[in-house]
Amino acid sequence: GAVVSQHPSRVICKSGTSVKIECRSLDFQATTMFWYRQFPKQSLMLMATSNEGSKATYEQGVEKDKFLINHASLTLSTLTVTSAHPEDSSFYICSASLDSGDTQYFGPGTRLTVL
Amino acid sequence: QQPVQSPQAVILREGEDAVINCSSSKALYSVHWYRQKHGEAPVFLMILLKGGEQKGHEKISASFNEKKQQSSLYLTASQLSYSGTYFCGTEGRGSTLGRLYFGRGTQLTVWP
Repeated sequence: GAVVSQHPSRVICKSGTSVKIECRSLDFQATTMFWYRQFPKQSLMLMATSNEGSKATYEQGVEKDKFLINHASLTLSTLTVTSAHPEDSSFYICSASLDSGDTQYFGPGTRLTVL
Repeated sequence: QQPVQSPQAVILREGEDAVINCSSSKALYSVHWYRQKHGEAPVFLMILLKGGEQKGHEKISASFNEKKQQSSLYLTASQLSYSGTYFCGTEGRGSTLGRLYFGRGTQLTVWP
């Protein structure tokens, strides 16, 4: 099956710093990648949809200046949490699909802790 | 956008059956089912694209009633490996086509 990786798996940072999370599709080219946020024992909340080479589409209530998304190639998307605060602490998980509407394959997630 | 899943939790003995329901207030294009084990990525189970469609995956199957905007996941003769949290993701029509919105999940625990 399709494999999606994320790096890092865990990150701890100080308040006010920025953190970059990478999402890679290892064995297929992903036209569309998605970023989700998951709180403990909660649902996956869609943050944004990114298509290779174009600007990401953010969900209502998600600050685009705080969560910068870049999808520069068909195998890599990055999420940068800028000026992180403790309330940004969460589990961030990406998914990738061959095309919009196709099956989404999820990465293993990144646990972000902001002190 | 978020679909409603029920029940929130299910506890079963090995070999017992369970049904997990997913309903949406919006017209649906497709329904996707995933299982997530603690600390791991959600794993794709199946996608249902057409109203009335039924699919099976080993002893796990699902149906999609497009008119009622509902889907159900059926787990028969459950195994220990079925334990985890099951999520339905719904894809609406129109401007949200291509995006999935997930329910809060149903935690399934199978005991020996």
